Amino acid sequence: ETGVTQTPRHLVMGMTNKKSLKCEQHLGHNAMYWYKQSAKKPLELMFVYNFKEQTENNSVPSRFSPECPNSSHLFLHLHTLQPEDSALYLCASSQVVATYNEQFFGPGTRLTVL
Amino acid sequence: ELKVEQNPLFLSMQEGKNYTIYCNYSTTSDRLYWYRQDPGKSLESLFVLLSNGAVKQEGRLMASLDTKARLSTLHITAAVHDLSATYFCAVDRSGGSNYKLTFGKGTLLTVNP
Repeated sequence: ETGVTQTPRHLVMGMTNKKSLKCEQHLGHNAMYWYKQSAKKPLELMFVYNFKEQTENNSVPSRFSPECPNSSHLFLHLHTLQPEDSALYLCASSQVVATYNEQFFGPGTRLTVL
Repeated sequence: ELKVEQNPLFLSMQEGKNYTIYCNYSTTSDRLYWYRQDPGKSLESLFVLLSNGAVKQEGRLMASLDTKARLSTLHITAAVHDLSATYFCAVDRSGGSNYKLTFGKGTLLTVNP
């Protein structure tokens, strides 16, 4: 595997289900990110992890729970979601240095909440 | 709060024509990135601009950065259908423990035969 991978690629869940999204980066980066991309809205940053420590939580509802067990893996645990949470969820990683923060994105998980 | 504005948001152009997409941002930064997204796909990094006056070119696309004007441009030369996609600019305000890009809303480019 190369780059940033995400599983599953598609997920349909009911409002009472619990599911998890997985992201893995094979780039040796030190930071990982979750973004939400909804139709007709800008890309929304949800969470940032730097060396496994969460450094940003962009006022995300508690029904989204991130987990970063190591610098290569990032999870997004989902429970009691709402239909408006249906979106493309993108994971990204970067090697942050003082002058540079180019982020590399995974293919995304298309989530539909019924 | 950093704001990033792209215009136009929608651009329909004919093959062979030239056009420019603009990206304005509201606070000081000298790091700007351009990404491309095909329908249903993820974001692909196109250009990284790290200083005032930086210019990068790849094929029919050329990106530039003017940090004094807080403006970046993405110029399309002699457009072809394969360039149809959504283009995003993102501004970097990383510092300390804050590793954050702020994205524009994206420009949906459609190139017609």
